[in-house]
Amino acid sequence: DAGITQSPRHKVTETGTPVTLRCHQTENHRYMYWYRQDPGHGLRLIHYSYGVKDTDKGEVSDGYSVSRSKTEDFLLTLESATSSQTSVYFCAISEANYGYTFGSGTRLTVV
Amino acid sequence: GDSVTQMEGPVTLSEEAFLTINCTYTATGYPSLFWYVQYPGEGLQLLLKATKADDKGSNKGFEATYRKETTSFHLEKGSVQVSDSAVYFCALLFTTGNQFYFGTGTSLTVIP
Repeated sequence: DAGITQSPRHKVTETGTPVTLRCHQTENHRYMYWYRQDPGHGLRLIHYSYGVKDTDKGEVSDGYSVSRSKTEDFLLTLESATSSQTSVYFCAISEANYGYTFGSGTRLTVV
Repeated sequence: GDSVTQMEGPVTLSEEAFLTINCTYTATGYPSLFWYVQYPGEGLQLLLKATKADDKGSNKGFEATYRKETTSFHLEKGSVQVSDSAVYFCALLFTTGNQFYFGTGTSLTVIP
């Protein structure tokens, strides 16, 4: 979507390796989110940020960490990837109560 | 706790058929309600929203009315097209916390 980009779009990695996904926005929105999407579960919140260096856990945060050192970037790190973390990851941004804008997603496969 | 329940899919309709996708919610307050659409290989896009009871959101021929008495926000379209094939997500948002609760999504396939 315009104003929000995710990288990489696709990644295959081995079990036990660290992985970092990047979300970059040009909208200067305060809130940023990481979700994972899995069949039968819809979207589940991993972590979110409400400002630079202000982050909090979502419902499925185990095995994930995040960092936000600049307004425009929100990084999601899998310290030691596992097969259960194979998923499609979406970043979203928002400001006030106007709804979310989603990125195009990162398809991560852990083999 | 707060949650959203959507009708399970997949839903398959013929072109020009009437569409209803049910969505009900459980909330302790007065959330805003949203429908998002996800086309294959893409992220979610906002389809429509309603911020208070009896509001009707509409976009691209889709409509949904915020019904507080039945805690529902059903999505409807009078005549679907093949291009409407996608996954539809119902969601609620509280004015505090700025965090969404999503339903599990309903897959729609429209056949010519």
